[in-house]
Amino acid sequence: DIQMTQSPSSLSASVGDRVTITCRASQTMSSYLNWYQQKPGKAPELLIFAASTLQSGVPSRFSGSGSGTDFTLTISSLQAEDFASYYCQQTYITPWTFGQGTKVEIK
Amino acid sequence: QVQLIQSGAEVKKSGASVKVSCKTSGYTFSSYGIAWVRQAPGQGLEWMGWIIVYSGDTNYAQNLQGRVTMTTDTSTSTAYMELRSLESDDTAVYYCARRAVVTGSFALDSWGQGTLVTVSS
Repeated sequence: DIQMTQSPSSLSASVGDRVTITCRASQTMSSYLNWYQQKPGKAPELLIFAASTLQSGVPSRFSGSGSGTDFTLTISSLQAEDFASYYCQQTYITPWTFGQGTKVEIK
Repeated sequence: QVQLIQSGAEVKKSGASVKVSCKTSGYTFSSYGIAWVRQAPGQGLEWMGWIIVYSGDTNYAQNLQGRVTMTTDTSTSTAYMELRSLESDDTAVYYCARRAVVTGSFALDSWGQGTLVTVSS
């Protein structure tokens, strides 16, 4: 199985901050990497697929990059509605695996 | 718009089975797959498997093999996930999600609201 390791597990930030979350895969997986946002009590929502393609309707302050084993989700200017948990997911091979999540909290 | 509406919360005894439904609308059901993902209380996301609707082909997580069955009913555009021999560790919110093909890969681009399954001894 491909292990996905996210860092940090949590972070505190202020509105307007630039936030970066990383995801590292235990083996190379091209760009088969997705990012999801989950707010408390809600289902996850797709933010970015294929490492860097923004899902329709997602604000442009979100961006993704990387390939191989190292990937990054960046929020260029954190907004109040962005406080949530974020998960990476690989779909290169089954079992599809998720990172353990990064909780973005208000400083 | 695309919608996935799941059945309501369930409370089950250890050893019992549960069957969660996921009624879809707003798209051509047979053109996509349906994946199931669960989330234990306070924990992360765990992929359970998926079913390709038009073929019925399935792919299950190895740790659930033999206990889980995913099916679909194309006449009602509904997907089902049955989990048998429930244990306390199966207590979780269960999500269905649409499996979309995206630039040669896959993503879960629409999700149900989740179904809480509580297993008690």
